[in-house]
Amino acid sequence: SQQGEEDPQALSIQEGENATMNCSYKTSINNLQWYRQNSGRGLVHLILIRSNEREKHSGRLRVTLDTSKKSSSLLITASRAADTASYFCATGQGKLTFGQGTILTVHP
Amino acid sequence: NAGVTQTPKFQVLKTGQSMTLQCAQDMNHNSMYWYRQDPGMGLRLIYYSASEGTTDKGEVPNGYNVSRLNKREFSLRLESAAPSQTSVYFCASSEAGGQGSYGYTFGSGTRLTVV
Repeated sequence: SQQGEEDPQALSIQEGENATMNCSYKTSINNLQWYRQNSGRGLVHLILIRSNEREKHSGRLRVTLDTSKKSSSLLITASRAADTASYFCATGQGKLTFGQGTILTVHP
Repeated sequence: NAGVTQTPKFQVLKTGQSMTLQCAQDMNHNSMYWYRQDPGMGLRLIYYSASEGTTDKGEVPNGYNVSRLNKREFSLRLESAAPSQTSVYFCASSEAGGQGSYGYTFGSGTRLTVV
């Protein structure tokens, strides 16, 4: 069973534009994490946001968390071709459950 | 700065053959995990080890066994491979399990095909 569900499934944008991906989950959480996966590679941890946080920044990444709506969003500002990847949200205590991911394509 | 190392990177097996996927981490992490990734299914947890000496089933454990050999190494064994086990397998580790939550470090994966 998937705890997190990403939306949209695929997103195609031009370089320089912002990309927003959403994640919805079903049960209460203590934190939510976002990961990136480049084609043919392992996942890379991007950011962790705790349930008592509403917003967190890391470089060009901005993550928000709305526990009342059981949802989170990942915003990538001023996207680059190198941001092309799949992005996953994950929840869980210790062992994580991953969503199915958003495939982001950034065209040069 | 190796992180999590998985071997082999690619493997083709015949139905019924057995094999062991190896995973080692050099970050002194307590917890280690095995996931499989299939198209349209995301990542699904096979087995995990919250700490050295313990292992637990995940979402899809059938057909697999694991061994936490020591703090560094966590292997996944397929005793009798089936075509349904064709997948990409990822090993991951994290600083702690249980009530804490920390980011995972993933290996680069093993692409397994069972014919």
